[in-house]
Amino acid sequence: AQSVAQPEDQVNVAEGNPLTVKCTYSVSGNPYLFWYVQYPNRGLQFLLKYITGDNLVKGSYGFEAEFNKSQTSFHLKKPSALVSDSALYFCAVRGVRQGNLIFGKGTKLSVKP
Amino acid sequence: ETGVTQSPTHLIKTRGQQVTLRCSSQSGHNTVSWYQQALGQGPQFIFQYYREEENGRGNFPPRFSGLQFPNYSSELNVNALELDDSALYLCASSLLVGGAGEQYFGPGTRLTVT
Repeated sequence: AQSVAQPEDQVNVAEGNPLTVKCTYSVSGNPYLFWYVQYPNRGLQFLLKYITGDNLVKGSYGFEAEFNKSQTSFHLKKPSALVSDSALYFCAVRGVRQGNLIFGKGTKLSVKP
Repeated sequence: ETGVTQSPTHLIKTRGQQVTLRCSSQSGHNTVSWYQQALGQGPQFIFQYYREEENGRGNFPPRFSGLQFPNYSSELNVNALELDDSALYLCASSLLVGGAGEQYFGPGTRLTVT
């Protein structure tokens, strides 16, 4: 069965420092991987996706993610964190049969000034 | 281009009642998916509609049902509400069924069952 795991419930980073939010996946076949961000009382906003090709994917708001097939990971990164990046981040994988998204439990990112 | 909209924003219902949630998909998108997000959890897939037909379903009982209309808007109906149905219900639209297309989410409907 397809699944994703986000091993950290919360990540704390100082403003201006690089940030990483971790995600590992389990799929049969080639993975379609996604990152979404959720601000309080809001829906999910699409950040980026990996389908095929370059292992480093660039997305919205300066975020990027690195796909690593051997480690089955798809970590979200940003070179310099902003306080406004504080939110809930979800990693997701596309379901094989139905095309739905299968989400991790989320990681709360807190960026302090 | 308009984004995904959902109504109502908040709703309070009593156990045993029925509820209907509504979603308007992003312009040009023909596929709508519904998700339930319980507090502190990631969204869970309920079902997906493509061209007015149910195209897939997650592990939710039959009292969760839906419709998609010719303009691709959608409804989620929940009968015989239970306390555990309290959650944020998210609608997402996309252009393609499955594949590599990302899904675009609405702001959600917060349902509280008392």
